[in-house]
Amino acid sequence: GAGVSQSPSNKVTEKGKDVELRCDPISGHTALYWYRQSLGQGLEFLIYFQGNSAPDKSGLPSDRFSAERTGGSVSTLTIQRTQQEDSAVYLCASSLKNEQYFGPGTRLTVT
Amino acid sequence: AQSVTQLGSHVSVSEGALVLLRCNYSSSVPPYLFWYVQYPNQGLQLLLKYTSAATLVKGINGFEAEFKKSETSFHLTKPSAHMSDAAEYFCAVSERNQGGKLIFGQGTELSVKP
Repeated sequence: GAGVSQSPSNKVTEKGKDVELRCDPISGHTALYWYRQSLGQGLEFLIYFQGNSAPDKSGLPSDRFSAERTGGSVSTLTIQRTQQEDSAVYLCASSLKNEQYFGPGTRLTVT
Repeated sequence: AQSVTQLGSHVSVSEGALVLLRCNYSSSVPPYLFWYVQYPNQGLQLLLKYTSAATLVKGINGFEAEFKKSETSFHLTKPSAHMSDAAEYFCAVSERNQGGKLIFGQGTELSVKP
């Protein structure tokens, strides 16, 4: 079946602009996660959604970062007023039980 | 806080040789443990997982890992390396009853020489 998809695959933006990254999880998966992968910091957890529960936002690095999950399916990660240090690959994963399945990621470059 | 240490940011082996990638975690309660592989410009693929069943876990592509509570380790092995195994490997843990968010090690890049 279809895996986790993310769009766009690449995004180049100017410093100070807002960006939205999209994640389509595997159908039926109740949990959805966002991670960030950068050279300096490795792989970091950002935010987690489980069903209708309040999201776990403990990994968001600043209040410029936010995420929504509409209808328990698609999720959007928004970064406001982007900074150069936001340049990274943003990975989305979904799971039903203990296994997380990752999308291919969105490579964000802030110039 | 939970942490994961992968010894060796880069490991190089010859084709046909044993692969051993090391992972240690810090937790007083055994967490769930995972190994993921990442090929260039791709997402993460699950190799195998430990969730409290058998301590020796077999995964895809001939990889296996053994959970050793006394050593807080979950090292990844493969008896005979293949050129296609060249990739970056990540060990990860998630705390039980913490929603499943993964804490990753820094990764180990595996090179396979012909």
